[in-house]
Amino acid sequence: GIQVEQSPPDLILQEGANSTLRCNFSDSVNNLQWFHQNPWGQLINLFYIPSGTKQNGRLSATTVATERYSLLYISSSQTTDSGVYFCAVISGGYNKLIFGAGTRLAVHP
Amino acid sequence: EPEVTQTPSHQVTQMGQEVILRCVPISNHLYFYWYRQILGQKVEFLVSFYNNEISEKSEIFDDQFSVERPDGSNFTLKIRSTKLEDSAMYFCATQGGLKASSYNEQFFGPGTRLTVL
Repeated sequence: GIQVEQSPPDLILQEGANSTLRCNFSDSVNNLQWFHQNPWGQLINLFYIPSGTKQNGRLSATTVATERYSLLYISSSQTTDSGVYFCAVISGGYNKLIFGAGTRLAVHP
Repeated sequence: EPEVTQTPSHQVTQMGQEVILRCVPISNHLYFYWYRQILGQKVEFLVSFYNNEISEKSEIFDDQFSVERPDGSNFTLKIRSTKLEDSAMYFCATQGGLKASSYNEQFFGPGTRLTVL
């Protein structure tokens, strides 16, 4: 099955810093989503982005489907950005999301 | 904005007991899913449900698990005889609806944290 790899596994930032999270996948995808898991365990939808670029406030994402990767950019990070960021994809004729292992982000004041 | 809701938020049960986790999907959504996340691990697919039947299930989803839409609105996951290793966060997700730009996007509920003692 498709493999989803995220990097880095852990990231520590000072408030105000920028960061880039990466998601590589091993096959073509029909769907790619980015999620933020907050400290209470909730999965918050950030982007639905099987291809192209989207922006939402301080966050933006780019998926280059032909090269099988997606990037999540966080600018001017805040302590509330802390948590785990997951990339998840759907490949082939299935509808199930396959999740990466996540990037654990800690933003310090 | 419409959202997926799940109840209860936390369930504690004894090993061998039956539990039912409930989800209310976003109205007009057609596809329903259950995922689980063991503490500290990645989110794993359990089962997908469409048109009142299971469309796909993972190896985890054995005979101890079942799903149904008992009243056309709620979507439930039943674990018949819980084991210690069933302790996890269980997420319901739904997909579909009337908005073409987000038809393929899955929306997750807040989760039910199941603890089996």
